[in-house]
Amino acid sequence: AQSVSQHNHHVILSEAASLELGCNYSYGGTVNLFWYVQYPGQHLQLLLKYFSGDPLVKGIKGFEAEFIKSKFSFNLRKPSVQWSDTAEYFCAVKPDSNYQLIWGAGTKLIIKP
Amino acid sequence: GAGVSQSPSNKVTEKGKDVELRCDPISGHTALYWYRQSLGQGLEFLIYFQGNSAPDKSGLPSDRFSAERTGGSVSTLTIQRTQQEDSAVYLCASSPRQGGSYEQYFGPGTRLTVT
Repeated sequence: AQSVSQHNHHVILSEAASLELGCNYSYGGTVNLFWYVQYPGQHLQLLLKYFSGDPLVKGIKGFEAEFIKSKFSFNLRKPSVQWSDTAEYFCAVKPDSNYQLIWGAGTKLIIKP
Repeated sequence: GAGVSQSPSNKVTEKGKDVELRCDPISGHTALYWYRQSLGQGLEFLIYFQGNSAPDKSGLPSDRFSAERTGGSVSTLTIQRTQQEDSAVYLCASSPRQGGSYEQYFGPGTRLTVT
């Protein structure tokens, strides 16, 4: 079955630390890839997306993600986190065989000031 | 423009009662999704509407759950004879499904508490 795995359920970092959140999926075909973020008390919103082309995708607020097809991965990165990045982050994958997004379980990120 | 709106924002109901949750998608978006988000869990797909096609109800957890979408716009999710395990945040999302874009835009959710 198609699935998305986010390895870390909780991550705690200090401000200015570098961030990498893992996302792996199980599907051998073409995919569209997404990272969504949910700040405390707010809607889920799109952080960045990959459809095709350059596998290094830049999103809002200094986030980026790299699609590595051979590893079925789409890890989210930020070189220097801020307290305001405290949120829950969800990875989602749309296989070309499906109109739905397959969602990871989310990673709760806490940034200590 | 206006985003996805949902009402009510919070609903507390007694076990056994029926509830209706409403979603107003972004104007012009042809696709509409309902999800459930339980504490500490990811998003659980419930149902999907696309234009005038028959909805995909494969995610509905039981026959107590149903949804409709009138006129290709507003959608209502109905839960009959609510149970405590139905307590969750119910999220609605819409998508333009144009130009190959499957990006979903989410509403604020309805927090349902069944006592």
